[in-house]
Amino acid sequence: EPEVTQTPSHQVTQMGQEVILRCVPISNHLYFYWYRQILGQKVEFLVSFYNNEISEKSEIFDDQFSVERPDGSNFTLKIRSTKLEDSAMYFCASSEASANLGETQYFGPGTRLLVL
Amino acid sequence: RKEVEQDPGPFNVPEGATVAFNCTYSNSASQSFFWYRQDCRKEPKLLMSVYSSGNEDGRFTAQLNRASQYISLLIRDSKLSDSATYLCVVPSNTGKLIFGQGTTLQVKP
Repeated sequence: EPEVTQTPSHQVTQMGQEVILRCVPISNHLYFYWYRQILGQKVEFLVSFYNNEISEKSEIFDDQFSVERPDGSNFTLKIRSTKLEDSAMYFCASSEASANLGETQYFGPGTRLLVL
Repeated sequence: RKEVEQDPGPFNVPEGATVAFNCTYSNSASQSFFWYRQDCRKEPKLLMSVYSSGNEDGRFTAQLNRASQYISLLIRDSKLSDSATYLCVVPSNTGKLIFGQGTTLQVKP
């Protein structure tokens, strides 16, 4: 069964450093998402991406965040200058069509980011 | 009203019990709904989709009450392996998923 993959599984970084989280969505999917989950809290939407551009972003997704689909298979999330409060599990998700049409989003296993 | 609200639990039940979780949502225009399951420190995995009044899959039944903006998940004959957090998820009009806090279920032998 096709699945979303993410690397690395864990990342430890110093405050102020840049990190890049990588995702390979399911191959025939067209919609891509990043979500995050701070320990003990609910899953929160960060950004959605369709047709090579951001379609929506949340208040969390400030100028320190960016996304890219550099080569038609990878989908990356970059945090330019990490803060302590960026420590969380970051999930990538993809879907064939938009979820408001009933389409399922499939989640990757996540990258656990720890900012020291 | 919060966008998606769930009773966080925990629900502690014996094996074989029937347990029900409730969820309320604020967007009356929502057309589709999902229950995801999340194991500790893992990704959310789709359990059931709910489009009309309800859906049944084996021991799991989801029901939708649009008038009350309420979704429920019923688990019959609970197994130890059902222990997890159950997430009520409602897509926004733009397709992003809005998650509830999750309801934790612990099934004990």
